[in-house]
Formats: sequence, structure tokens, C-alpha cells
Amino acid sequence: DARVTQTPRHKVTEMGQEVTMRCQPILGHNTVFWYRQTMMQGLELLAYFRNRAPLDDSGMPKDRFSAEMPDATLATLKIQPSEPRDSAVYFCASGFSGSGTDTQYFGPGTRLTVL
Amino acid sequence: EDQVTQSPEALRLQEGESSSLNCSYTVSGLRGLFWYRQDPGKGPEFLFTLYSAGEEKEKERLKATLTKKESFLHITAPKPEDSATYLCAVQEWYNNAGNMLTFGGGTRLMVKP
Repeated sequence: DARVTQTPRHKVTEMGQEVTMRCQPILGHNTVFWYRQTMMQGLELLAYFRNRAPLDDSGMPKDRFSAEMPDATLATLKIQPSEPRDSAVYFCASGFSGSGTDTQYFGPGTRLTVL
Repeated sequence: EDQVTQSPEALRLQEGESSSLNCSYTVSGLRGLFWYRQDPGKGPEFLFTLYSAGEEKEKERLKATLTKKESFLHITAPKPEDSATYLCAVQEWYNNAGNMLTFGGGTRLMVKP
């Protein structure tokens, strides 16, 4: 049963610390998305990769957030320095561009709390 | 700018009481409309994709329909296990980033036994 995996599932940190979240997309998928979900804003797209190349990161605060795909099996989202307003659930999703369906499959999320 | 609005924000039903959830959208050119189900503490789970007005898809007690301006998720004789937040999202035809989704705020469905 192919699934998107994310680590860690929960992270509590103090303001100013660096946070790194990891995602393993479904094998064979060539698109990866990072979303942030809060009660107030709902699901917001932060970054989008296709074939490991960043296509859109307009939703991401550039001064503190960065997203990378070191290889096809790993995507990372880093926050440095973290702030209390970054507290949210961060989801990774993967899909296959060109299949005609373009469906995104979500991971279980990383719940981040910044104190 | 894409807009996706879901209503109602919350819906309480008795078990067996059928109802519909609405998703209104505004896009320049719809590539696809997606429905997801999200349980507390979990990621959204894919349900359906609709591509053109008039299209319908069914899965168990759920049926999704699409018009040029909105989509409905009909729930027939719901059971308590159907309780979840239902999200709709639209994908628009772009020149180079066609896979991006814009999500609505969701409808939180609660089905009481």
C-alpha cells in the first residue's frame, strides 16, 4: 500500500530554533507539494516541485522557510528561525504529472508547535 | 484569482438523514475539481476528481456532481463513520504549473447515531 510518509509526526520547539520536516513521496511520483494547515487559514500551498525542480514557492515566507528535494525519495521543509506563528500542521503531498488525473496524495502531516 | 467557497461550514445530521455539501468555485479554466475527506489528526484522503460539467461519480454513500459554477457532494443515508471534514479543491489550466490545487475551507460533517 503506497503512502506518503512524513517525519517527525510531532515537533515541539522553542522560538528561534531550526526545524526540519521530511517527506518521502510515493515511489514513481514526480510532483511534491508542501502545505500548511491552520484553523484560521485552512490549507495553504507553500511549495511545489516537479521532477525535483521547484516550480512555485510563492506561498512560502522566503526569509525563514526553505524547501528542497535532495533526491527523488526525499523532500525537506526547513524553518530557520522558527516563530510561534509557524505553529500549524504541515502536510506533504505527491502526485504524478502527465497521468491525466494529477491527483495529489497526502501524508499524515507534521504537527509543529513553536513556544 | 481562484476562489473556492464551501458551505455550510458545519453540518449536523442524524444517521440516515441525507444531505448535500456545496463547493462554489471561480476559475478561468477548470482542469479538475477534487473532493477529499479529512479525519482529525490525519491528512486529506482523496475521494473523487470531476473534470467537466454534468459529470458524476459515486463511492458508497457519496455522490459528487459538477456544474460550471459549483460541485455538490451528496451523502445518502449517512452513518456515524461518515463524520469528517470534507474538502474540495480546484485545479486550473496554467501554462507551466497545472498541478496546483486551491482548497476551500471545508465542511465539517457530524453524523449522530
